[in-house]
Amino acid sequence: QQPVQSPQAVILREGEDAVINCSSSKALYSVHWYRQKHGEAPVFLMILLKGGEQKGHEKISASFNEKKQQSSLYLTASQLSYSGTYFCGTENRDDKIIFGKGTRLHILP
Amino acid sequence: NAGVMQNPRHLVRRRGQEARLRCSPMKGHSHVYWYRQLPEEGLKFMVYLQKENIIDESGMPKERFSAEFPKEGPSILRIQQVVRGDSAAYFCASSPGTVKLNTEAFFGQGTRLTVV
Repeated sequence: QQPVQSPQAVILREGEDAVINCSSSKALYSVHWYRQKHGEAPVFLMILLKGGEQKGHEKISASFNEKKQQSSLYLTASQLSYSGTYFCGTENRDDKIIFGKGTRLHILP
Repeated sequence: NAGVMQNPRHLVRRRGQEARLRCSPMKGHSHVYWYRQLPEEGLKFMVYLQKENIIDESGMPKERFSAEFPKEGPSILRIQQVVRGDSAAYFCASSPGTVKLNTEAFFGQGTRLTVV
């Protein structure tokens, strides 16, 4: 089952914050976050495995709620380089990652 | 250590021809995943392979599409008798273990197939 991402698109000014949500109707085993720039390969950001887990990656961090049905990606003090499409991927112990439709993030100078 | 290599980067085929897309995983990776991406859409899972085995092909169309990952050589995604609707970007990803073991998958640059 494909996870649901929201919002579909975000426009920010440089320095502003953003939150991207990823939710599932069932408990998940893990959540994988990727960023893809136009015409390029998706690039791995982080994996969350445990309920209640939070991970950071410089000014990009993510959380996985206790029930393991929702994850959020936090972008703090956004930079121009953060522009792209963010995908959450969910894995349910079946060895494959199912991706959401993506959230397009555009950062204005 | 080279990343995941896909070729060709761009492929143009006429309707009815065959398309062969190649993916060489990262060194030491024995797990390969194929995804299809339409413009402005997400990555749709197609098939998961390990060396010489198809593990999960639940996302592959039943007809015209096939995939293999031989003992030697790259993984191949083959589309026979292509139609315009097959036009998309096809991405391959590889990982050293199964993704359920908390290992990340690395993506190649993709092959952009255009059917004319």
